[in-house]
Amino acid sequence: NAGVTQTPKFQVLKTGQSMTLQCAQDMNHEYMSWYRQDPGMGLRLIHYSVGAGITDQGEVPNGYNVSRSTTEDFPLRLLSAAPSQTSVYFCASSYSTEGPVWTQYFGPGTRLLVL
Amino acid sequence: AQKVTQAQTEISVVEKEDVTLDCVYETRDTTYYLFWYKQPPSGELVFLIRRNSFDEQNEISGRYSWNFQKSTSSFNFTITASQVVDSAVYFCALTSSGGSNYKLTFGKGTLLTVNP
Repeated sequence: NAGVTQTPKFQVLKTGQSMTLQCAQDMNHEYMSWYRQDPGMGLRLIHYSVGAGITDQGEVPNGYNVSRSTTEDFPLRLLSAAPSQTSVYFCASSYSTEGPVWTQYFGPGTRLLVL
Repeated sequence: AQKVTQAQTEISVVEKEDVTLDCVYETRDTTYYLFWYKQPPSGELVFLIRRNSFDEQNEISGRYSWNFQKSTSSFNFTITASQVVDSAVYFCALTSSGGSNYKLTFGKGTLLTVNP
């Protein structure tokens, strides 16, 4: 298994541009989520999904959209990038058979710079 | 609301020293889960351990050990005989089964530098 994969690894955008951060997992995990990591802030939840066709907002959802058309993929869209969205983005996934609370495994991250 | 506090922003030790990373948490839920993740300089997040609120047994895995104390709401992480490869940012995190989003609430992390 490749685990959780993210593309691109690094991206530079200009203010106002749009882009999609890709996340995929090949472990048949039901739960997927997006976090952003900022210096001194730890990681904060942006959006999450408990299964295909189901998504919901996390702690800091503004400026981001998600969709979950398949179990494997959970893309994160920035519709109009802002400098405040400069961050490192992590995708995570969890397997459901451990019970009601699952250990989340993270992808390698995407470093985004918005100028 | 849930909160995780890692009071130690940075720790620097010399190789072979023992080091303890502190984690204090706050939650109103009776069922919750605590985690430690390691983020080496390469940037990925590596899962280290998960502990549920009903299991207060300490755990040892090689040079790593964890001390969970509900009485003090702490889940501390000790590295014995530290090595240069242990240099990383370590995050403590909390989640509960009471919420619907299984959000991980992270502490701000402790940067551990192990010098040769």
